[in-house]
Amino acid sequence: EDKVVQSPLSLVVHEGDTVTLNCSYEVTNFRSLLWYKQEKKAPTFLFMLTSSGIEKKSGRLSSILDKKELFSILNITATQTGDSAIYLCAVIKDSGYALNFGKGTSLLVTP
Amino acid sequence: GAGVSQTPSNKVTEKGKYVELRCDPISGHTALYWYRQSLGQGPEFLIYFQGTGAADDSGLPNDRFFAVRPEGSVSTLKIQRTERGDSAVYLCASSPNGGPYEQFFGPGTRLTVL
Repeated sequence: EDKVVQSPLSLVVHEGDTVTLNCSYEVTNFRSLLWYKQEKKAPTFLFMLTSSGIEKKSGRLSSILDKKELFSILNITATQTGDSAIYLCAVIKDSGYALNFGKGTSLLVTP
Repeated sequence: GAGVSQTPSNKVTEKGKYVELRCDPISGHTALYWYRQSLGQGPEFLIYFQGTGAADDSGLPNDRFFAVRPEGSVSTLKIQRTERGDSAVYLCASSPNGGPYEQFFGPGTRLTVL
């Protein structure tokens, strides 16, 4: 059975801290891993990672995929209160279309 | 352009009633997906449309759930004889084509079955 496991499930940090969110997976015919940010209801796309070892970066957020060890990390540096959200990791199979999500990491950044 | 829109944003109904949830995808996107998100969980796949046809409905939990996309654009998710366990946020997403690509999500409909 395919699995996507995120850790930690929740996290509280102070503004300015750096956080690392983890996503591990066991999926047959893996194609890509995606990260989404969910603030109220609509998940918004952050990154899609297909190749191992290539960092994707957008502002203070970055992410990398390790296809040998079957995990990805999402880093957020200099956190702000606006980063408070649920961060969802999903995998998609080769020639697939349905996203298989983890349970998410709930991040709270306090002032 | 406009993103994915869903109506209503909230729906409260009584057990046993019928509900319809609507999704308007991004213009030109041929692929449309429905997901269901229960509290504390990630979204779970329900059904995928490519154009007008349901290419994969394997995620629909039972035959009380049905979805249509008659003109290849707007989609309606229909739930008959609602049960309390159907309470969740129903998310719709679209993408330019089907396949292993980024999906763009709507704001969802929060369904509460009393």
